[in-house]
Amino acid sequence: DSGVTQTPKHLITATGQRVTLRCSPRSGDLSVYWYQQSLDQGLQFLIQYYNGEERAKGNILERFSAQQFPDLHSELNLSSLELGDSALYFCASSLGGDSYEQYFGPGTRLTVT
Amino acid sequence: GQNIDQPTEMTATEGAIVQINCTYQTSGFNGLFWYQQHAGEAPTFLSYNVLDGLEEKGRFSSFLSRSKGYSYLLLKELQMKDSASYLCAVRAILTGGGNKLTFGTGTQLKVEL
Repeated sequence: DSGVTQTPKHLITATGQRVTLRCSPRSGDLSVYWYQQSLDQGLQFLIQYYNGEERAKGNILERFSAQQFPDLHSELNLSSLELGDSALYFCASSLGGDSYEQYFGPGTRLTVT
Repeated sequence: GQNIDQPTEMTATEGAIVQINCTYQTSGFNGLFWYQQHAGEAPTFLSYNVLDGLEEKGRFSSFLSRSKGYSYLLLKELQMKDSASYLCAVRAILTGGGNKLTFGTGTQLKVEL
């Protein structure tokens, strides 16, 4: 158990809908990272927040957005969902903004039908 | 951009030694990581190299040559539970600040009796 929690564990929704994925980092960690893992693309970095502010941006679509709240939990919002958005979404946390070790949560499996 | 190559699959025998190679091309190199991932589970951190040389951690060792853009993960005394996907990941400093971790597609290791 990494200490990172993610909810929900599974999510099934229809195309065009909007969902919110939630992540709570390990106690004391200030950075949260979001990743998408699909079968054909591997693990893709989406975005990083550090102490409430966006720190680095990866291959995140405009339909997706994220934020980190004052209590350091983070949410990833996915809208206008498409079939291709079906994937495992992982959240990871680290102590600092540039810490080398990231601890991954168990992931949320999103299925878009 | 970044490019990471690692073999798709490898098979080894229980008790043996296996070496998983990773080559990469990136600008702003700031560290190379190896993660282990069992199917449907979160990646778990194995090792981190930022300087050239060998880092040893129990049955696992990782080597880095920055001039060659090359790393390997060495697994000794293989056990059946080592059957998993091994992900090579490169961290790069972004021009706007922050770091981005880019993962390879993973090497699926199968350990046989």
